[in-house]
Amino acid sequence: NAGVTQTPKFQVLKTGQSMTLQCAQDMNHEYMSWYRQDPGMGLRLIHYSVGAGITDQGEVPNGYNVSRSTTEDFPLRLLSAAPSQTSVYFCASSYSGTGASTDTQYFGPGTRLTVL
Amino acid sequence: DQQVKQNSPSLSVQEGRISILNCDYTNSMFDYFLWYKKYPAEGPTFLISISSIKDKNEDGRFTVFLNKSAKHLSLHIVPSQPGDSAVYFCAASAGGGADGLTFGKGTHLIIQP
Repeated sequence: NAGVTQTPKFQVLKTGQSMTLQCAQDMNHEYMSWYRQDPGMGLRLIHYSVGAGITDQGEVPNGYNVSRSTTEDFPLRLLSAAPSQTSVYFCASSYSGTGASTDTQYFGPGTRLTVL
Repeated sequence: DQQVKQNSPSLSVQEGRISILNCDYTNSMFDYFLWYKKYPAEGPTFLISISSIKDKNEDGRFTVFLNKSAKHLSLHIVPSQPGDSAVYFCAASAGGGADGLTFGKGTHLIIQP
């Protein structure tokens, strides 16, 4: 199993550009989520999905879109990149997202995004 | 307002000694608490968790203690090993956790030889 994979590892954008961060998991997990981590901060939830076709907003959703057409994939779209979106982005998945001991969230390696 | 607080940005401990990482929370609805470990350039990895109905959970060298009345939890690592040097995040969830985890800012643990 590859677990949770994210592409690209690094990306530099100019203000106003759009891009999609890819996330895929091969564990047949229902729950997937996106977090961002800024220097000196913990991870903050952007969007999450409890299953294919179902998405919802987290703590910091502005400027980001998501969709979940398959169980495996959960892409994050930046519509018009801003310097405030410079961050490290982590995708995570778990069986059902309940936070129970049998429901460990597995994180991908992250995408480091810089917006100039 | 930060709901999960880790007030020590860094902690230095000698190899073989006990490491104690602390975490405080403010949201009474949190009912599940987790610790994640993170190495540079990697994603966080799950370490240990505890339900609010318990006050202690142990897994090998790692023990998490929960004091609900004080809204405080701690992670004990004993004995500390060089490979334990990493950033440790405390996280919490409420009501099943479907709306994600709330993380603290992390504590950078440095194990000195």
